[in-house]
Formats: sequence, structure tokens, C-alpha cells
Amino acid sequence: GQQLNQSPQSMFIQEGEDVSMNCTSSSIFNTWLWYKQDPGEGPVLLIALYKAGELTSNGRLTAQFGITRKDSFLNISASIPSDVGIYFCAGQNNNAGNMLTFGGGTRLMVKP
Amino acid sequence: NAGVTQTPKFQVLKTGQSMTLQCAQDMNHEYMSWYRQDPGMGLRLIHYSVGAGITDQGEVPNGYNVSRSTTEDFPLRLLSAAPSQTSVYFCASSPVGLAGTDTQYFGPGTRLTVL
Repeated sequence: GQQLNQSPQSMFIQEGEDVSMNCTSSSIFNTWLWYKQDPGEGPVLLIALYKAGELTSNGRLTAQFGITRKDSFLNISASIPSDVGIYFCAGQNNNAGNMLTFGGGTRLMVKP
Repeated sequence: NAGVTQTPKFQVLKTGQSMTLQCAQDMNHEYMSWYRQDPGMGLRLIHYSVGAGITDQGEVPNGYNVSRSTTEDFPLRLLSAAPSQTSVYFCASSPVGLAGTDTQYFGPGTRLTVL
């Protein structure tokens, strides 16, 4: 099946620092999504990207859909302690069932 | 609106036992799906359904059965549990159509341990 490579696997940063993580795929997607998962919870959608080259913001979060449709990145500016969690990228191809292919996740830890 | 609910939250099984993980949604979503989450591997699709009476296999379907007799419920059955099925299981639902892409709702998960 399709593979999404997400990096880095983990990050430990100081509060206030900016964060960047990315996903690359061996094949193209029509939609890129970024989720955040808190401990003991299911993933929650942060940002959805629908067009190649699209740059979208949600508060301190900014994500871009790569021109080749094989990659995406997520930036978090001025990190705060509540940003702690696991961030997942996911790709989708408008197939039946809205099925998602997920990256392996980036575990973010923020030091106050 | 309760959203997507899953029961139980935790379960321990012995190898060979069978059980059903329950998933229900009250948003009248047509699409429902089951994922498993293992460390370092993200979520992988097990089975999905595009509507009542219709199911199909995802990436890792072996050892699992599903049925969709109603729009609201999408149970996942483990026929004969194996240690390799130790994982966290998430159910998700979304509405039909292009707008459904960005509105896939996940349940809180079921943590399953098979001894």
C-alpha cells in the first residue's frame, strides 16, 4: 500500500520556539490532512489541504500542500505547553469511504 | 450529539478468544471505518463501510470481521484473538461527498491487549 514518511519522529523544544514537521509520499494524494492526537484520545483534524501549492493557516499553525502532491509540511509558531501531543499527516484520494493513509506521527514535547 | 462512541475503552483477551468492539455515531454519517494504531506506524485502515449493508476491506483486514446493519453502528469482530492484534483501535465516521474529506470524526479508541 501507499507509504507516508513523516519526520521527525519526535521533537523536544523550548516553549516559544517554532516547530516544523513534514510528510513525503511515494505516490500522489488529492488531499493532505494534519491531525493532532492527545493521550487517550482519537485524532482531531487541524488543517485540511485540497490543492497543490495551497498554503493554509489555523491560528499558529500553517500547512502547505506540496506542488508535486507528494509532500506536505506543518509549522507551529511560538509553541506553548498545550501543543504537546502526537501530530499525524494523512493523505486521501477521494476514494470510497474517505479512507486515509497516515504517516507514523511526530511526538512533540514542549518544555515550559 | 455524542459524536463517535466506542466501547469498551480497555480490554484484555487471551489468545484464541473472540470479542466485538462496538462503535456508534449519532451524526447520520454514511461512511464509517476502523483503524488500528501501533507505535511508530500511524493508523492503518482495517475495514470500512460506505453505507448500511456495504462493507469493504482496508489495508490490514485479516483476522477481523465487520457488518453494517444500521447507519449508526459499525462493530468490529475479532474471531480468534492473537497477540499481534494488541493495539489501539479507532472508529471514525464522515458524511458523504466532497465535504466529507475534512470532517472525519474519530472515537476515543479501544485499547486491546491479547495475552
